[in-house]
Amino acid sequence: AQKVTQAQTEISVVEKEDVTLDCVYETRDTTYYLFWYKQPPSGELVFLIRRNSFDEQNEISGRYSWNFQKSTSSFNFTITASQVVDSAVYFCALSDTRPNTGFQKLVFGTGTRLLVSP
Amino acid sequence: GAVVSQHPSWVICKSGTSVKIECRSLDFQATTMFWYRQFPKQSLMLMATSNEGSKATYEQGVEKDKFLINHASLTLSTLTVTSAHPEDSSFYICSARDNNLGGRGNEQFFGPGTRLTVL
Repeated sequence: AQKVTQAQTEISVVEKEDVTLDCVYETRDTTYYLFWYKQPPSGELVFLIRRNSFDEQNEISGRYSWNFQKSTSSFNFTITASQVVDSAVYFCALSDTRPNTGFQKLVFGTGTRLLVSP
Repeated sequence: GAVVSQHPSWVICKSGTSVKIECRSLDFQATTMFWYRQFPKQSLMLMATSNEGSKATYEQGVEKDKFLINHASLTLSTLTVTSAHPEDSSFYICSARDNNLGGRGNEQFFGPGTRLTVL
């Protein structure tokens, strides 16, 4: 069965610190997608990134960067120079895919609550 | 593009009443939509997969007679919580998959959620 583990329940940092959110996944599929979502207090999920299992290149988008390592089944997310607006719950998710039908479903981790104080 | 709306955004009801939540894809067609439930400070759990023109597929442990899903058009899926009780109070989130198989075709786009409180 697919599983996503986010071992860090809550992280508190001071503004401008760098912070890394860990995500470890389990799947028997060779083709899968990994996602990160941000959920601010308003509740709406904000899509951050999607990465397929064949693309292990790290990605950087502004202050955000992602490190995908299949060897350790991890897809970690780093925020550089954190800001108060980064405070939210961050979810890592895993989805498998079936030929010609797209995604089956998303399995979410338990989330990491990030608190960035001024 | 790829906007999903939910209505209502929040609802308070008395125990025993039924509540209908709508999920609409505003600028794309969605044969498949998903319904999730999120209890306070917990993760999102998939409840069911809604398929236009056919019966929904429910996850294990989700009562299909309690959570009625109707996906009558390519842009609308509804979730009805029948005879709601306080334990049904939760944040319900829908997502939709764009029928277009190119580009963003395999992504799920999430609605803003509906907060249900049953007194």
